[in-house]
Amino acid sequence: NAGVTQTPKFQVLKTGQSMTLQCAQDMNHNSMYWYRQDPGMGLRLIYYSASEGTTDKGEVPNGYNVSRLNKREFSLRLESAAPSQTSVYFCASKRVVYTGELFFGEGSRLTVL
Amino acid sequence: ELKVEQNPLFLSMQEGKNYTIYCNYSTTSDRLYWYRQDPGKSLESLFVLLSNGAVKQEGRLMASLDTKARLSTLHITAAVHDLSATYFCAVHRETSGSRLTFGEGTQLTVNP
Repeated sequence: NAGVTQTPKFQVLKTGQSMTLQCAQDMNHNSMYWYRQDPGMGLRLIYYSASEGTTDKGEVPNGYNVSRLNKREFSLRLESAAPSQTSVYFCASKRVVYTGELFFGEGSRLTVL
Repeated sequence: ELKVEQNPLFLSMQEGKNYTIYCNYSTTSDRLYWYRQDPGKSLESLFVLLSNGAVKQEGRLMASLDTKARLSTLHITAAVHDLSATYFCAVHRETSGSRLTFGEGTQLTVNP
């Protein structure tokens, strides 16, 4: 089982460049999420998609856009990268059933110079 | 706004000792989760606590939930080196839709 797959795993950008982080899940989950993880700050929600065709802002959406391409795929785009966006990005999807736990991808480590 | 606070943030302990990690949250919640993260790795689900008084145990870890006190604890019994990791609690609120709010994480180091 692949679970939640993120690409790329590592990326270095220059300030002002754009890029897209890709995420796909094969567990038939309705909800998908993008979090960023910074030292001492836990995980902060950037955007989420409760179901196919919907997206909503999380705590820290500025500088990001998302696309829920279909039920499996949820991408995160940085239009003009800034050093403050240097972070580890995690995609997650959520079970439909009552427990509602998140399943995470391996993470994408992004450095903006 | 829902706030989730963990303490301690850093914990260094000897093998064989017991300790508790605390997770406090600021508003009512219907579900609480504990996750483990190894360095450079993803987050792994440990426990899902769904009701007041819920207690879950797996090996040397036991998690409990007191919704009236807005407090969850993760108790470590007779720690071993393999438990060294960062532990996160995460809280779900019905009114927040599908969202989970995470604590800052507790970095646990178990020394031989």
